[in-house]
Amino acid sequence: EAEVAQSPRYKITEKSQAVAFWCDPISGHATLYWYRQILGQGPELLVQFQDESVVDDSQLPKDRFSAERLKGVDSTLKIQPAELGDSAMYLCAINPEGVDTQYFGPGTRLTVL
Amino acid sequence: SQQGEEDPQALSIQEGENATMNCSYKTSINNLQWYRQNSGRGLVHLILIRSNEREKHSGRLRVTLDTSKKSSSLLITASRAADTASYFCTFQGGSEKLVFGKGTKLTVNP
Repeated sequence: EAEVAQSPRYKITEKSQAVAFWCDPISGHATLYWYRQILGQGPELLVQFQDESVVDDSQLPKDRFSAERLKGVDSTLKIQPAELGDSAMYLCAINPEGVDTQYFGPGTRLTVL
Repeated sequence: SQQGEEDPQALSIQEGENATMNCSYKTSINNLQWYRQNSGRGLVHLILIRSNEREKHSGRLRVTLDTSKKSSSLLITASRAADTASYFCTFQGGSEKLVFGKGTKLTVNP
């Protein structure tokens, strides 16, 4: 089964600060997703990568969020500046080729004060 | 919308009982998937059922799919306290993108 590592697991920051989350698909997979999950809701797709290219970022608040996957392996999601409403779980997932399911990392729980 | 809608939103049962969760959708699909999420953790894939399948089993899990009614159900038999989690249905139609609903929060009381 595919493994996905995420760090940090928890992050507390003050509003207007910059934060960054890291995702490493340990097995190495072409398709990578970042989701945001607000408490009590399902995950919402923020961005989808195919290798190093963005396939879908239609739900990414581009004025403050950015995502990159420079070498087509690990990925970084950044928020600058963070706002109170950004408090959520940020999940990374991968989709192995030829498989329809997604494998999720443990997530980063962000709290913005 | 590709978003599945789970029902009920919350379910509380005693250990040993069966739990049934339902999912409805509005578009044509290639497959429907169920995921589980323990509190504060990532999602874990449980089972995938393709549009040409009507029923699928995996251990204590049984999933049915009725494409004419655009609905699916997830049955967990002989529930355990460890089954306490949120359960999400999602599906793929024309793209590999998954859209999640709010899920069903299952509590299994020991």
